[in-house]
Amino acid sequence: EAGVAQSPRYKIIEKRQSVAFWCNPISGHATLYWYQQILGQGPKLLIQFQNNGVVDDSQLPKDRFSAERLKGVDSTLKIQPAKLEDSAVYLCASSFQSGTEAFFGQGTRLTVV
Amino acid sequence: AQSVTQLGSHVSVSEGALVLLRCNYSSSVPPYLFWYVQYPNQGLQLLLKYTTGATLVKGINGFEAEFKKSETSFHLTKPSAHMSDAAEYFCAVSANTGFQKLVFGTGTRLLVSP
Repeated sequence: EAGVAQSPRYKIIEKRQSVAFWCNPISGHATLYWYQQILGQGPKLLIQFQNNGVVDDSQLPKDRFSAERLKGVDSTLKIQPAKLEDSAVYLCASSFQSGTEAFFGQGTRLTVV
Repeated sequence: AQSVTQLGSHVSVSEGALVLLRCNYSSSVPPYLFWYVQYPNQGLQLLLKYTTGATLVKGINGFEAEFKKSETSFHLTKPSAHMSDAAEYFCAVSANTGFQKLVFGTGTRLLVSP
């Protein structure tokens, strides 16, 4: 069974530029999560989807971050414009249903300079 | 709302010694509890989970954890540390009620010395 796929693995951009991350969850998983993990900290949930609907986006900085999961399968997370403090690893995870164990991708390491 | 507190950002043990990583949770509904491990430049890998039933759960790599409702704890243990256990460990809480978030603690870095 294929795992959660994320791309790119690494990205370096200048502040005020835009960037997008892609995630393809495990087939059949209804729940998809995007987490932000700043160096030395635990993952912080940015947004949680159930199929193509948003369940929770309370910690998503909506003035600059956006995410979509249009067909209830893969998802894109965008940052526009980026700030220095957005430097982090962005982790995508999926689970069969909300509350059950989540499977993580390898993450995208974003560096904003 | 749910939350997790991991006591100790760093834990150091000698190879062969007992590993104990502490996790306390807060949840308004019966929780699901998880321990994940993260190696450098990798995503998170599930070590073990508690949902319902037996309160002592065994996971991969010889780890186990015990759910203690009265203490709101889910501490992770391993009888004998191995060098390969050096990593970051995260406790997480969720629930099966509605669309619950999966909330992580701040992590504990386990250092293993020869």
